[in-house]
Amino acid sequence: RKEVEQDPGPFNVPEGATVAFNCTYSNSASQSFFWYRQDCRKEPKLLMSVYSSGNEDGRFTAQLNRASQYISLLIRDSKLSDSATYLCVVNEMGYQKVTFGTGTKLQVIP
Amino acid sequence: DADVTQTPRNRITKTGKRIMLECSQTKGHDRMYWYRQDPGLGLRLIYYSFDVKDINKGEISDGYSVSRQAQAKFSLSLESAIPNQTALYFCATSDPRVAGEQYFGPGTRLTVT
Repeated sequence: RKEVEQDPGPFNVPEGATVAFNCTYSNSASQSFFWYRQDCRKEPKLLMSVYSSGNEDGRFTAQLNRASQYISLLIRDSKLSDSATYLCVVNEMGYQKVTFGTGTKLQVIP
Repeated sequence: DADVTQTPRNRITKTGKRIMLECSQTKGHDRMYWYRQDPGLGLRLIYYSFDVKDINKGEISDGYSVSRQAQAKFSLSLESAIPNQTALYFCATSDPRVAGEQYFGPGTRLTVT
């Protein structure tokens, strides 16, 4: 089983739609979690951290479910500019090991 | 100016050639990383460095070497390039307190023919 798994997609959604991605992780010792955005042929950029209590940044909401070992990213009112690949990242604090998922591709269509 | 820079941005080289990719950062971070990205495989860690004297192999270090010349500079070398090293290479930095928050350079697209 992969340490971090994501549905590769693509998720094709119309503008204005709400879309959610999940990311599962296998190591229960994982301590911190992040979502990154990567545009085609560009570098990954940190989108948001995922806190135990969940967090929201504008149209984006990230949540953590430790019992089921997954994190989620919800995007409301999708914009064309949201089209990108979204990577989840899991960090084992003590070992400082950082593992990237392979990403979920989102395509927002007019 | 970008916080993390990489040179060259694109490179085409031939099998057997030695090539060096360079990374510089102005974020003042101690930790630096080299990744390669291939379609469908995501980011894979090649080497990482916690400071100038601490360099560690990642999951795919065979065929690569690195040099940490200073806190701000971390170079990746391919001693004898082979075609399956064709990939997009990224350098990244992080603060040791939050290793999962990484700042990436713009990448180097390397093609080995």
